[in-house]
Amino acid sequence: DTAVSQTPKYLVTQMGNDKSIKCEQNLGHDTMYWYKQDSKKFLKIMFSYNNKELIINETVPNRFSPKSPDKAHLNLHINSLELGDSAVYFCASSRRTTGDSQDTQYFGPGTRLTVL
Amino acid sequence: QKEVEQDPGPLSVPEGAIVSLNCTYSNSAFQYFMWYRQYSRKGPELLMYTYSSGNKEDGRFTAQVDKSSKYISLFIRDSQPSDSATYLCAMGARGYSTLTFGKGTMLLVSP
Repeated sequence: DTAVSQTPKYLVTQMGNDKSIKCEQNLGHDTMYWYKQDSKKFLKIMFSYNNKELIINETVPNRFSPKSPDKAHLNLHINSLELGDSAVYFCASSRRTTGDSQDTQYFGPGTRLTVL
Repeated sequence: QKEVEQDPGPLSVPEGAIVSLNCTYSNSAFQYFMWYRQYSRKGPELLMYTYSSGNKEDGRFTAQVDKSSKYISLFIRDSQPSDSATYLCAMGARGYSTLTFGKGTMLLVSP
């Protein structure tokens, strides 16, 4: 049973294209996240949704638009892809947002995006 | 000064060695401290979770938090080649929705 799944696992595309990454969690969690991990392995939060509501939107270009059709899904759409968007994108989920032991974040396997 | 500092390594040790991984931080509001392990081309997985100061032990792993020094450590005893991975520290504060991650330390355990 995969707790947090992402598709696709690999994505290679040309500059200027629009692409989407899908994420699903079957843990019954309320909160989902998107992270970007660059080539130096630095993991940086992009967005967070709680029960389909956007609660965190870090300084991310508006070419990135998250969409949460229900609390088990959080998709990431990227318009006009740029070279600098090449990275590994991780989806994660946690039971709720306040900081206590239930807030352990569970990560998906990642989507490796390469923009040519 | 970055909020969380972590030496990227790589740290190379022989099998059986005791490994010490560390992070320092600047935000005194952090109360929740975690260590994640990330194998190559995989997502991070939670290894240890500690609230406030103190020690926590789980098998070969011990997490230590010293809030007065703003310093956390992860010790791995009897290290195994299967421990070879990148170890990321992460920290959170009550009322904050996000975790702040260190850049990760790559550990290589040779047989």
